[in-house]
Amino acid sequence: GQQVMQIPQYQHVQEGEDFTTYCNSSTTLSNIQWYKQRPGGHPVFLIQLVKSGEVKKQKRLTFQFGEAKKNSSLHITATQTTDVGTYFCAGCGGSNYKLTFGKGTLLTVNP
Amino acid sequence: DAMVIQNPRYQVTQFGKPVTLSCSQTLNHNVMYWYQQKSSQAPKLLFHYYDKDFNNEADTPDNFQSRRPNTSFCFLDIRSPGLGDAAMYLCATSRAGSLEKLFFGSGTQLSVL
Repeated sequence: GQQVMQIPQYQHVQEGEDFTTYCNSSTTLSNIQWYKQRPGGHPVFLIQLVKSGEVKKQKRLTFQFGEAKKNSSLHITATQTTDVGTYFCAGCGGSNYKLTFGKGTLLTVNP
Repeated sequence: DAMVIQNPRYQVTQFGKPVTLSCSQTLNHNVMYWYQQKSSQAPKLLFHYYDKDFNNEADTPDNFQSRRPNTSFCFLDIRSPGLGDAAMYLCATSRAGSLEKLFFGSGTQLSVL
């Protein structure tokens, strides 16, 4: 079945440093979504990428979808303590209604 | 505000004692999902409904059942909870379609004693 791998599992940074998490799928994806889960909270949708090579920005967050539509990344510039949480990628392959989640990257930020 | 509501927020049950978790939505979404999330792990899809059409994941244990009596409500029944079933259970909804995002409820944290 479809597998979505995400690295690193943990990342600790000083406030102001940059952060990147990477996502890799075993199969070509129709789209990829990113979610953020604060400690003790539930996943919240951040963004969706659909097109090959697509790049989207949300303030300090930059999302990329690879040319082959098998990998994606999330980059945060100048992290803040409010960025703390687990970032999940979730890929959609064959089924229209099934997302396969990566294991997530837990980001902690030292003020 | 339209939302996905899960009750209760915390549920304690005894080993082997059936338990039901509930989810309701005011978004009028066609698709409802149940995910299991253990500590520091990714959400794992148990099953989903597209309207009344039930879709079970191949590796979801028979111990887990679900009901969707109408568009707004969906229930997760665990017939004989084991210690390994202690987890956060997340309900989510989406519109039908391949490019739709998930809206998650706040989850029910299940403890099994």
